[in-house]
Amino acid sequence: EIVLTQSPGTLSLSPGERATLSCRASQSVSNNYLAWYQQKPGQAPRLLIYGASSRATGIPDRFSGSGSGTDFTLSISRLEPEDFAVYYCQQYGSSPPYTFGQGTKLEIK
Amino acid sequence: EVQLVESGGGLVKPGGSLRLSCAASGFTFSSYTMNWVRQAPGKGLEWVSSISSGSSYIYYADSVKGRLTISRDNAKNSLYLQINSLRVEDTAVYYCARESGYSSSWGYWGQGTLVTVSS
Repeated sequence: EIVLTQSPGTLSLSPGERATLSCRASQSVSNNYLAWYQQKPGQAPRLLIYGASSRATGIPDRFSGSGSGTDFTLSISRLEPEDFAVYYCQQYGSSPPYTFGQGTKLEIK
Repeated sequence: EVQLVESGGGLVKPGGSLRLSCAASGFTFSSYTMNWVRQAPGKGLEWVSSISSGSSYIYYADSVKGRLTISRDNAKNSLYLQINSLRVEDTAVYYCARESGYSSSWGYWGQGTLVTVSS
């Protein structure tokens, strides 16, 4: 089973700043099948990034993903008030288990 | 428009059983692998189970194997999750999810149904 470790656990930033979130895998993620999700309180997760670096439909271009193998990053170039939420990475490789990271909470400083 | 609507959650005593449903609409249900994900209160996301389009391939997380049964009825556009021998630690919001269509990542999620296990 691939274990995903996200860091930091909590990130405190101000609107307009840049956010950088990390996701490290215990072994290489096949085909870079690594996704990022945003979740706000009381809502279902929302797909932001798939394939490590491709934006999902309708996602603003201030969100970007990068990385390969075992190290992945989600960047948000200029934080908007609506970006403050919890972010999860997930590997959805060739076969289950489809593990999630423990999440990074992005909070307003 | 793709819609996934979960139902069947509620308050159950430890040792009890529950059957969750996910009603799908807006797409050809029989063409897609479907998934269940759960989230305990204040905790992260946990993949629970997946079933292929024709039910030939079924997978479970080790943490639930033997107590959960995933199934689907393509004629009724519905996904199910039978949970037996419920434990307090099964308390969670249960989501059904579908791949996005242009990627095998999960672009469509239901709103979730809350299962509370308590005496």
